[in-house]
Amino acid sequence: DAMVIQNPRYQVTQFGKPVTLSCSQTLNHNVMYWYQQKSSQAPKLLFHYYDKDFNNEADTPDNFQSRRPNTSFCFLDIRSPGLGDAAMYLCATSNGGGRSYNEQFFGPGTRLTVL
Amino acid sequence: DQQVKQNSPSLSVQEGRISILNCDYTNSMFDYFLWYKKYPAEGPTFLISISSIKDKNEDGRFTVFLNKSAKHLSLHIVPSQPGDSAVYFCAASAIEYGNKLVFGAGTILRVKS
Repeated sequence: DAMVIQNPRYQVTQFGKPVTLSCSQTLNHNVMYWYQQKSSQAPKLLFHYYDKDFNNEADTPDNFQSRRPNTSFCFLDIRSPGLGDAAMYLCATSNGGGRSYNEQFFGPGTRLTVL
Repeated sequence: DQQVKQNSPSLSVQEGRISILNCDYTNSMFDYFLWYKKYPAEGPTFLISISSIKDKNEDGRFTVFLNKSAKHLSLHIVPSQPGDSAVYFCAASAIEYGNKLVFGAGTILRVKS
């Protein structure tokens, strides 16, 4: 089945220690998104890639970076995690283009704990 | 500033009855609205959507109603089943914003058998 896969599902890191979260997809979608969801809050878009074009949200901290080496993979790098970065990180994909809305497909998420 | 609000954190309904989940938005640029459903340990999955040119969209037991003048939408589930117990997220999108989704905080629905 075509899907969005996130690894690892649970990640524990230490305060200030860089961490990388991974997302891969078999849907061959050209758009990939990263969302941050803190407890009982709405998922919040951090950035997205439209093909190779990186689009950062205005309020995404510089501490968060992303890489997309190819269509299938996208990484979220947190350079110096703080306690406030503990959250669920959701990756999503969509088939972008045109003026109609294109459904986003989500992975199961990675829960990040910062000690 | 929350542009999409789900004011009820949780809702409990008896099996077989109607579940009504509500969502309000503030940005009049939004032109497409969606409901996503999320089970524990899984990512959100698309449930149903509605364009701003419509006021109702139905898919089996699920119906979404849109009231543009009130900037309000609701999801009706009839009849509710125990398997519908999940977190329901309302989301909004606008062509002008590149179809990015703005989510509400979610409503936990519990359907009691």
